[in-house]
Amino acid sequence: QKEVEQDPGPLSVPEGAIVSLNCTYSNSAFQYFMWYRQYSRKGPELLMYTYSSGNKEDGRFTAQVDKSSKYISLFIRDSQPSDSATYLCAMPNNTNAGKSTFGDGTTLTVKP
Amino acid sequence: DADVTQTPRNRITKTGKRIMLECSQTKGHDRMYWYRQDPGLGLRLIYYSFDVKDINKGEISDGYSVSRQAQAKFSLSLESAIPNQTALYFCATSGPTSGRAPDTQYFGPGTRLTVL
Repeated sequence: QKEVEQDPGPLSVPEGAIVSLNCTYSNSAFQYFMWYRQYSRKGPELLMYTYSSGNKEDGRFTAQVDKSSKYISLFIRDSQPSDSATYLCAMPNNTNAGKSTFGDGTTLTVKP
Repeated sequence: DADVTQTPRNRITKTGKRIMLECSQTKGHDRMYWYRQDPGLGLRLIYYSFDVKDINKGEISDGYSVSRQAQAKFSLSLESAIPNQTALYFCATSGPTSGRAPDTQYFGPGTRLTVL
């Protein structure tokens, strides 16, 4: 079983929809929970991260962590066609600083 | 200019050929990584290096080798390419963190490799 499992998608939504992207993890030692966004033919780029449990909001994006359930989510409000990309969750390895475990990614298409 | 560059961006080669993918960075980071990305399999770590004298195998190092020529340069070689090495390859870097900031990876634009 993988340490990080991500809802595979793909997701296709109309413009303006609320999008929920989700990952589960098994390693209770993970402390940081990150979301990368990857546009077609580009490398992933960090979108946002949270530390420990709770919510973090950045514009239309909200990252949520539930450590008791080992479940993380990224919500996109008022989704735009420019949000069309692959989203990867990632968790840095505390015991081997510099290594991260990535989810497989969920591809999102927002249709105008 | 891009902080992490990869060459070539696209390469088609034949089974059995030796291939080198190159990565350069201007971010001043000590840590560099090579990943491959396949549909449905996500990003898988091939090799990583925390400084010029430190090279470590990742989860799928068989069939690959690396060279860290300098702090800013990290090359990936396929000694004898095979078709199941057809994939998108990414180089990434990360630097020391301070306070409550996580290790953030900065990716290059990728190399699309096709082995016929």
